[in-house]
Amino acid sequence: DTEVTQTPKHLVMGMTNKKSLKCEQHMGHRAMYWYKQKAKKPPELMFVYSYEKLSINESVPSRFSPECPNSSLLNLHLHALQPEDSALYLCASSPTASNNEQFFGPGTRLTVL
Amino acid sequence: QKEVEQNSGPLSVPEGAIASLNCTYSDRGSQSFFWYRQYSGKSPELIMFIYSNGDKEDGRFTAQLNKASQYVSLLIRDSQPSDSATYLCAVIPEGGTSYGKLTFGQGTILTVHP
Repeated sequence: DTEVTQTPKHLVMGMTNKKSLKCEQHMGHRAMYWYKQKAKKPPELMFVYSYEKLSINESVPSRFSPECPNSSLLNLHLHALQPEDSALYLCASSPTASNNEQFFGPGTRLTVL
Repeated sequence: QKEVEQNSGPLSVPEGAIASLNCTYSDRGSQSFFWYRQYSGKSPELIMFIYSNGDKEDGRFTAQLNKASQYVSLLIRDSQPSDSATYLCAVIPEGGTSYGKLTFGQGTILTVHP
């Protein structure tokens, strides 16, 4: 299995809602990443997990809360988001954080109303 | 100065031609270099990586790295309309290797016309 999967594919939420994005990989990778991508812009790194521990938080607002329950799963919990948070949220994984060949999932298209 | 710079394009080439995509980076200590292809509405797909000076070939793709000039390029031979996409150059800056911190360029839009 050489895939990173993400659910849901699309998500529409109000500013008072709580929702979660899910990412899964079965490649045995030990580093997982969350990126945010706005239209016509490159991906922006949000979080890096290495061996299930948070190693990088790129000064992301606390309304985004990552969680790594095990080596295959990565979640992003969303609460009290703003319309400007609407974007494509991408999960990626790599064998380790120092082996930087990152493979991206298909993304979740998030719209905040 | 941007850390990773690419011409935004669009770069338009005829089918069958060689497409040449260029990228420069500012951190002289950068060690790892990647090219991603991103179709409209899709996620980035890793197509090439290069760590040492010189050329690396994979099928129709060749990555070229010149650390002295801080320059990395991607050549696509026999370009096909299906190669039409945004190509993102990504670099791991010095000190970032242990943390997987990719820095992306703004991307070059490539259009291959029949």
